[in-house]
Amino acid sequence: DTVLTQSPALAVSPGERVTISCRASESVSTLMHWYQQKPGQQPTLLIYLASNLESGVPARFSGSGSGTDFTLTIDPVEADDTATYYCQQSWNDPWTFGGGTKLELK
Amino acid sequence: QVQLTESGPGLVHPSETLSLTCTVSGFSLTGYSVYWVRQPSGKGLEWMGRMRYNGDTSYNSALKSRLSISRDTSKNQVFLKMNSLQTDDTGTYYCTRPTTGGWFAYWGQGTLVTVSS
Repeated sequence: DTVLTQSPALAVSPGERVTISCRASESVSTLMHWYQQKPGQQPTLLIYLASNLESGVPARFSGSGSGTDFTLTIDPVEADDTATYYCQQSWNDPWTFGGGTKLELK
Repeated sequence: QVQLTESGPGLVHPSETLSLTCTVSGFSLTGYSVYWVRQPSGKGLEWMGRMRYNGDTSYNSALKSRLSISRDTSKNQVFLKMNSLQTDDTGTYYCTRPTTGGWFAYWGQGTLVTVSS
């Protein structure tokens, strides 16, 4: 199975720029997607196909990457962005999720 | 609009079988696949298995021996059954529908399952 590796946690101040990384154990082309999950809620889609912003998601969120290295960027970070962020690939079967990066605001 | 709703018992005893239902609306099960994803308490998302639009199923290899997914298209329902539950199966269970490109745009609200005696 394709393993997606994310840093466990990050802490940033409001107004700063933050990058969250996701590294795949094998190429996933651009079939990488990003989700935000707040405590007690289901995940919500932020970015699909590596760099496409889901409708209704603020333009502060952006994604980039291809192959094995991907990045989710939030610029500028707001207090409401406190959440856990997951990457997910759909290039290789079975589709897999990263372990999540918990974003905390200072 | 597309909706998915999970239902099932909140409490299951160790070694017993979990039965969950995902009721969908706004789309046909013969046109779209439905996936089950779980989140053990305090942990990340784990793909469990899927019911494809054509009736085929596929399972996470780590759960395959305990897991079964079926459906009733007339009732717009997808079912999950998992046996031999243990305390580390405690968590929230979601059903979700992917797009053709493979991202999950639609999620149920999740159902919390606690495994405890």
